[in-house]
Amino acid sequence: QQQVKQSPQSLIVQKGGISIINCAYENTAFDYFPWYQQFPGKGPALLIAIRPDVSEKKEGRFTISFNKSAKQFSLHIMDSQPGDSATYFCAARELTGGGNKLTFGTGTQLKVEL
Amino acid sequence: NAGVTQTPKFQVLKTGQSMTLQCAQDMNHNSMYWYRQDPGMGLRLIYYSASEGTTDKGEVPNGYNVSRLNKREFSLRLESAAPSQTSVYFCASSEGFREQFFGPGTRLTVL
Repeated sequence: QQQVKQSPQSLIVQKGGISIINCAYENTAFDYFPWYQQFPGKGPALLIAIRPDVSEKKEGRFTISFNKSAKQFSLHIMDSQPGDSATYFCAARELTGGGNKLTFGTGTQLKVEL
Repeated sequence: NAGVTQTPKFQVLKTGQSMTLQCAQDMNHNSMYWYRQDPGMGLRLIYYSASEGTTDKGEVPNGYNVSRLNKREFSLRLESAAPSQTSVYFCASSEGFREQFFGPGTRLTVL
């Protein structure tokens, strides 16, 4: 059972356009929602993250929108650039005794075309 | 600082063979994690170690064992590899509840 559902699976956007990736979750124990960016042959790297008591977080061209009542959150990439072409994963954190367990979405492969 | 390092980068095994994937971090993090990444499945947690001396199962632990050798090192062992374990394996570390940092991955093929 996929606890974090992510869509779309793939996305093609023109340079300068807006990329939007959506995620939904069920587990109300999740307390932190990061987005990871992964380039081919590399490990995922943290891009931006949000806590559920905030409805929006912006860092440069990247914005997370969070809807707690709907249990949904999304990543918006403004002015998308070819260098943004990568796979993006949403995730949700559940705290454990001492560590943190991340549940990942299935990923969105973004291609930004010139 | 190298961050999180993993060895080997690539490995091909035959069904039934065993191997150990190595992971080390130089950030003095307490917590370490092993994930597997499969197409269309995202990353799934295999095992994690909240601190030196402790390990716990994640979402997909069957067929794997782990050892937290010391604070720096966390290894993943496949005792009898199966084709279903063909995957890319990522190790990660974090300081408690903070951001997880990932290694470059090990691409494993089981024939």
